[in-house]
Amino acid sequence: SQKIEQNSEALNIQEGKTATLTCNYTNYSPAYLQWYRQDPGRGPVFLLLIRENEKEKRKERLKVTFDTTLKQSLFHITASQPADSATYLCALGIAAGNKLTFGGGTRVLVKP
Amino acid sequence: GAVVSQHPSWVICKSGTSVKIECRSLDFQATTMFWYRQFPKQSLMLMATSNEGSKATYEQGVEKDKFLINHASLTLSTLTVTSAHPEDSSFYICSVSLASYEQYFGPGTRLTVT
Repeated sequence: SQKIEQNSEALNIQEGKTATLTCNYTNYSPAYLQWYRQDPGRGPVFLLLIRENEKEKRKERLKVTFDTTLKQSLFHITASQPADSATYLCALGIAAGNKLTFGGGTRVLVKP
Repeated sequence: GAVVSQHPSWVICKSGTSVKIECRSLDFQATTMFWYRQFPKQSLMLMATSNEGSKATYEQGVEKDKFLINHASLTLSTLTVTSAHPEDSSFYICSVSLASYEQYFGPGTRLTVT
C-alpha cells in the first residue's frame, strides 16, 4: 500500500540549531514533492517544491533534498528561531491532475 | 503565489441542516480548485477536485451527494455539506494550484455540527 511517513514525535530544538525533518514514502512515483508549514487552526502555507529530477532546493534558511532512490526527502531549517515553531507537512504530487497526498506532519518546537 | 480566501472562517450548525463554504481565488484565475478535510491531529485528506464549468471529481469514499461542489467561475468554488451530522465536524480547507504545481491554501473553515 502507499505510505507517506513523517516523524510523528515532536522535534524539540534549541534556537540557532538546525532542525532536520524526514519524509519517507513507499509505493509512490512522485513527479514532485512539496513542503508546507501549518500553524494551529490555519491552512497550510507553501514553502518549497522540489521536482523528481532535482537533488536540492534552497530558500533563505530552508533547504530540501529529494532522493528518489531512497524514496526520501529531508527538510532543513537552519539557524532556527522560535517563530519557526509549527507543524511541517510534506506532500507528494503526480503531474496529472496536480493532486497532492500529504504526510502526517511533524511538529517542531524551537526553544529560546 | 496565489491568495485564497474562505468564508466563513467558522460555522456552527444543527444536525440535519446544510452549510455552504465559499473558496475564492483573489488574484489568480483558477480552473481547478481542491477541497480538503482535516480532523484534529490528523493530516489533510483530499476530498475532491473542483473543475470550473464541469462536475467535480471526488476521491474514493467521499459521498458526492453529501458534499456538493460548485465551481461556477474562475474565482469561486463552493462546498455545501448537506444534512450535516456531528461526524462531519472538521476543518475544511480549499486550495488552488498553479501551473508550476505549487498549491496555495485558504485559511480554512471550522465546521461544528451540534
